[in-house]
This record gives sequence, C-alpha cells and structure tokens, in this order.
Amino acid sequence: KAGVTQTPRYLIKTRGQQVTLSCSPISGHRSVSWYQQTPGQGLQFLFEYFSETQRNKGNFPGRFSGRQFSNSRSEMNVSTLELGDSALYLCASSLAGAGPNTEAFFGQGTRLTVV
Amino acid sequence: AQKITQTQPGMFVQEKEAVTLDCTYDTSDPSYGLFWYKQPSSGEMIFLIYQGSYDQQNATEGRYSLNFQKARKSANLVISASQLGDSAMYFCAMREGLAGRRALTFGSGTRLQVQP
Repeated sequence: KAGVTQTPRYLIKTRGQQVTLSCSPISGHRSVSWYQQTPGQGLQFLFEYFSETQRNKGNFPGRFSGRQFSNSRSEMNVSTLELGDSALYLCASSLAGAGPNTEAFFGQGTRLTVV
Repeated sequence: AQKITQTQPGMFVQEKEAVTLDCTYDTSDPSYGLFWYKQPSSGEMIFLIYQGSYDQQNATEGRYSLNFQKARKSANLVISASQLGDSAMYFCAMREGLAGRRALTFGSGTRLQVQP
C-alpha cells in the first residue's frame, strides 16, 4: 500500500513568486491536512480538507490557500512568497472524519527555500 | 498556554538501554487522542503510537510504549532496547475531539541520540 506522496521534495523560489505543492494521500483516505515546520515556530497547522471541503484552518495569512480534488489529492498554494515562508511543508492523510482517535500518516514533506 | 510540552530538547541513551521521553498536555476536552511521531533527518514524520483519553490500558507497539497518566496529564514515550536507528527527533501531539480543534497540536520535540 503506497504511503503519502508529496511533490516536489525540494523547491527554491524567489521572493514574490508563488508556489504550488502537491499531496497524494493513502488510497481510501479522504482527509488531508497541511502543516508548516520551521526551526523557530515548530509544527503549525495550516488547513484540513475533507471530501473537497476545507474543514479547519490554522492561523495563517490569506496568501496560503489549498484545495482538494475528487480523488482526495490536495494542493496548497502560497502566493507572494516571503523569506519567512521557507520551511518544510508536511501533508498528513487520515482515513475518515479526523476524530480524536484518528491516526494521521505523513508524507516526506516538501522543503521550500525562498531566496 | 501551550497545549503540548516536551521539556527535554535533547536526550542521550546508550544502545540497548531504555529511554523515556516526556510529554505533558493541557486540554479541557474529555475526548482526545495523544500521538507520538518520529522524525529522522529525512523529514518524514513516522507514526509510532497512539493513546486515547478513554483507553484504560497503556498503549504498546513493539519496542514503544506510552506511559499514560491521565490525572497528571502526561503521556511519556518509553523506548525499550534502544537502537542506533532510533536517533531522531520525537514529537508528542494531541488531537482534541471538539469540532474545529481536530488539527494535531505538536510539542517542540526531543532530539534523541543513541550512542554505541
């Protein structure tokens, strides 16, 4: 059974550009969540999608957006990149409704560097 | 207030010895789940073990066990018989049951180094 696949693994972008990251969840999983990991702030929740609908959103500016497709694949987009957006972006896949006992399985992440 | 606290930034352990990684949490939600993840230098977060707030027994998964003390709000990870491959960052996380709070909240992590 394939795990969570995130592409690309590494990205280098220039300030002001935009970027799109992709996440393919485990087959059968309908919930996809995104997290940002930085040395200073640690792991922070960005948003969660379930059945193509955003269900939860973290405390990030509107430059961060996402969507989910009918096959549960998800993309997140960051517009007008800033140096502080440099981070490891992790995608997590869950089977169903993300109740408290729902395990989340992560991909290897996309490491974004903004120069 | 921090919801997940990991007070050990770094830990050293000798190969084949046991090690305990501390985690305390804060929530008023009676229904919650506690998770431990391992993150090697490659970046992937690897799920290790889960404990539900209503579970009566401590969770175990192979060499990993979770010492769950609900009254003290602690969920310490115990790794028995450490191996060199256990060297990594370890994160404690919580998912609450209330709608709108179901994102995982992570602690700051503990870097474990296993020495030969």
